[in-house]
Amino acid sequence: EDQVTQSPEALRLQEGESSSLNCSYTVSGLRGLFWYRQDPGKGPEFLFTLYSAGEEKEKERLKATLTKKESFLHITAPKPEDSATYLCAVQQSGGNQFYFGTGTSLTVIP
Amino acid sequence: NAGVTQTPKFQVLKTGQSMTLQCAQDMNHNSMYWYRQDPGMGLRLIYYSASEGTTDKGEVPNGYNVSRLNKREFSLRLESAAPSQTSVYFCASSETRGTGNLFFGSGTQLSVL
Repeated sequence: EDQVTQSPEALRLQEGESSSLNCSYTVSGLRGLFWYRQDPGKGPEFLFTLYSAGEEKEKERLKATLTKKESFLHITAPKPEDSATYLCAVQQSGGNQFYFGTGTSLTVIP
Repeated sequence: NAGVTQTPKFQVLKTGQSMTLQCAQDMNHNSMYWYRQDPGMGLRLIYYSASEGTTDKGEVPNGYNVSRLNKREFSLRLESAAPSQTSVYFCASSETRGTGNLFFGSGTQLSVL
């Protein structure tokens, strides 16, 4: 059973066209939910950690939000340099492992 | 400040050959991890080391061994490579086990023929 599901798999946006990426999870007792950005040929780069429902974090054009069963990564007025794969991961309370989703590949067209 | 350094960046092996992937971090982190990334599968944990001197199995440990050589270095060994081990391997570190703020290396692309 998948612990983390991300949608859509791929997203193409025009520069300036805002949108949201979804991460839904099935673990009980969430310890934390994490967003990473991954560029081609590179390792994932940490963006945000969210711990409880209602929490929000922002960084430049990105804002991450968390509910009881899903998280959204909102991208406002994206630029071509925002093109990357965005990964979501969750950690269960009392556990050591992080369960990663398969990512959303974002392409922003100038 | 290099962060997490992995070598080699690319490797091609024949079935049955062995090799060791090297990883070193210069952030004085306690915990280190080895992941593999396959299309459509997400990142999966192979082994981790919560602190110097300890190692534990992750989700997919079969066919691999690890050594935490010291606080900085954590190596991953494939004793007898199989085509199913063709993947991209990432080493990561964090200050403390389970903080979530993982710092990743740039990856090793391994092909087993």
